Amino acid sequence: DAKTTQPTSMDCAEGRAANLPCNHSTISGNEYVYWYRQIHSQGPQYIIHGLKNNETNEMASLIITEDRKSSTLILPHATLRDTAVYYCIVSANAGGTSYGKLTFGQGTILTVHP
Amino acid sequence: DGGITQSPKYLFRKEGQNVTLSCEQNLNHDAMYWYRQDPGQGLRLIYYSQIVNDFQKGDIAEGYSVSREKKESFPLTVTSAQKNPTAFYLCASTPQGQVKRNEQFFGPGTRLTVL
Repeated sequence: DAKTTQPTSMDCAEGRAANLPCNHSTISGNEYVYWYRQIHSQGPQYIIHGLKNNETNEMASLIITEDRKSSTLILPHATLRDTAVYYCIVSANAGGTSYGKLTFGQGTILTVHP
Repeated sequence: DGGITQSPKYLFRKEGQNVTLSCEQNLNHDAMYWYRQDPGQGLRLIYYSQIVNDFQKGDIAEGYSVSREKKESFPLTVTSAQKNPTAFYLCASTPQGQVKRNEQFFGPGTRLTVL
C-alpha cells in the first residue's frame, strides 16, 4: 500500500471548517483514500473514503486532487467533539473473498478550541 | 444493542504470564482483526480472520496467538514470548457487505499493562 504524509497537528476554532491535508504521491490506480479518526482512548471510527471523485457524507467531505497525489478531509463546522487523531490511509479496495487491510500511520492530531 | 465488545477495559498481568483478550461481536460480521497501538503511534495489525476456523498473520504476529471457533468471537492470547506486551489492543470487524469499502468497525479497546 502507498504511504501517506500528514501534518503532526492542527488547530481549528469551533464552528469553523477544519481542512486536513494528506499527501499520497505514490498512490496506485486501484488504491482508495480512506479517512478514520480516533478519539482519545477509543477505537478508530470510519469517516469517508474515495477513489478519484470528491465525496460527501453526513460527517465530512473528501476532496481528491485530479492527479490523486493528495487529498483534503473537510469537517465543515468543527465542534469540540471533533478533537481527535485523524488518519489518512491508502489501500487497495477489497473484493470478492479478499478482505482489506488498513495501515494506520501516526495521523494528524486535530484540536478544536472554543 | 449491536456492536463489538472487548473486555476488560484495563488488564494487568505479571511478566511471563499468558493473557487472553476477549473480542465479541453481534453484528454478524465475517472478518475480524486485532491491532496493537503504542503511545503516540498508529495501529499495527497482529492477526486477522476472514471466516470461522481460518486466520492469517498480520505485520506483528510474533508472540501472539488467536482462534476463531465462532463467527462472533476472536480472542487474542498474548504469550510470554511477546517481548513488549504493554499496549492498547483494538479489535475490529468488517461485514461481508462492506468488504469492498474496507470499513472496519472497532471495539473500545483493552489497555494491557505487564508489570
